[in-house]
Amino acid sequence: KQEVTQIPAALSVPEGENLVLNCSFTDSAIYNLQWFRQDPGKGLTSLLLIQSSQREQTSGRLNASLDKSSGRSTLYIAASQPGDSATYLCAVETSYDKVIFGPGTSLSVIP
Amino acid sequence: DTAVSQTPKYLVTQMGNDKSIKCEQNLGHDTMYWYKQDSKKFLKIMFSYNNKELIINETVPNRFSPKSPDKAHLNLHINSLELGDSAVYFCASSQAITGAPNYGYTFGSGTRLTVV
Repeated sequence: KQEVTQIPAALSVPEGENLVLNCSFTDSAIYNLQWFRQDPGKGLTSLLLIQSSQREQTSGRLNASLDKSSGRSTLYIAASQPGDSATYLCAVETSYDKVIFGPGTSLSVIP
Repeated sequence: DTAVSQTPKYLVTQMGNDKSIKCEQNLGHDTMYWYKQDSKKFLKIMFSYNNKELIINETVPNRFSPKSPDKAHLNLHINSLELGDSAVYFCASSQAITGAPNYGYTFGSGTRLTVV
């Protein structure tokens, strides 16, 4: 059974710092992994999607990596800004067309 | 233009009532989903429909009944609401084909259901 975990559960950093969020999954048989951002009272915004054949994806200050064999993904945020404060979720799509979400990391960027 | 829209955004109702949440997507996607986010923020899939056909039906009480009149709409009807149904419900869509790799999801803004 696929399980997805995220560490840390919460993170607080001063503005301008680079940071890394971690996502782990137990079954490497995935189609893809996606990182989302969730803002209070709003839906989920897709940030990056990494197909199983890919190693990383980049969008602006965000870089996500995927290591299927070790069951890990990282989301790197460069030069963090207060506007980056949100909950970040990773989700893996399994072989059964289902998406399993991690519990999320709550990020606070302090001005 | 909102890609995936849900209504209502907030819903407060008494136990035992029947309520519906509507979802519409204008992305031309073939597949739509309902997810439930509980108080611990875990997101779990409830249902998925591909071109109006039920594909995934997780272990959900049969008081929950999805209805897809066309591939752009997936509504969720809940009968005899219980306190434990209180949660945020998210609709999503994707250009997915059953058994094939997904190409990313687009989520609605969620419906916060509170049963009192």
